[in-house]
Amino acid sequence: GAVVSQHPSRVICKSGTSVKIECRSLDFQATTMFWYRQFPKKSLMLMATSNEGSKATYEQGVEKDKFLINHASLTLSTLTVTSAHPEDSSFYICSAIGKNTDTQYFGPGTRLTVL
Amino acid sequence: AQSVTQLGSHVSVSEGALVLLRCNYSSSVPPYLFWYVQYPNQGLQLLLKYTSAATLVKGINGFEAEFKKSETSFHLTKPSAHMSDAAEYFCAVSDRDGYNKLIFGAGTRLAVHP
Repeated sequence: GAVVSQHPSRVICKSGTSVKIECRSLDFQATTMFWYRQFPKKSLMLMATSNEGSKATYEQGVEKDKFLINHASLTLSTLTVTSAHPEDSSFYICSAIGKNTDTQYFGPGTRLTVL
Repeated sequence: AQSVTQLGSHVSVSEGALVLLRCNYSSSVPPYLFWYVQYPNQGLQLLLKYTSAATLVKGINGFEAEFKKSETSFHLTKPSAHMSDAAEYFCAVSDRDGYNKLIFGAGTRLAVHP
């Protein structure tokens, strides 16, 4: 199956700093990438949908200036958490879907802890 | 609007017993349906999917699911549970609007005891 990687797998940062998370499709071109947030023992909450070369579409209630998404190429999307606060601590998961497919392939997730 | 309901946030079975995880969906269009598994601190792994072909879908690790339109269900089963099946399972429906956004159920945690 298709492989999606995320980097870093775990990050700890101080409150007020910004953190960038990368999501890469390793063996296919991802026309669309998705970013999810998962709270402990909860389901995945879709944050935004991004297509290569265009602005991301954010779900209702997700601050686009807080969570910056860039999808610069068909294999890379980045999520930057700006001015992070402890309430931003969470498990962030990306997924990617290729052209003419109907299945999202998920990355292993990034655990963000903001002190 | 589409939605997914997973009945039972926790299911516990004995090793070797039948696994049945329930999923009901709501969709105004013929749905695409998915089951994903998540192990602790990991991303999601696709178990199987239904995309309007055969109603009985076989997936990895011995799992299968049957699409029943009349019951709007897509329950996941495995004849014999293994200890390694202990994980969180998510049912999801795709909105098929071109972006294939997934709407997830709340998840079911499967525990397998000896």
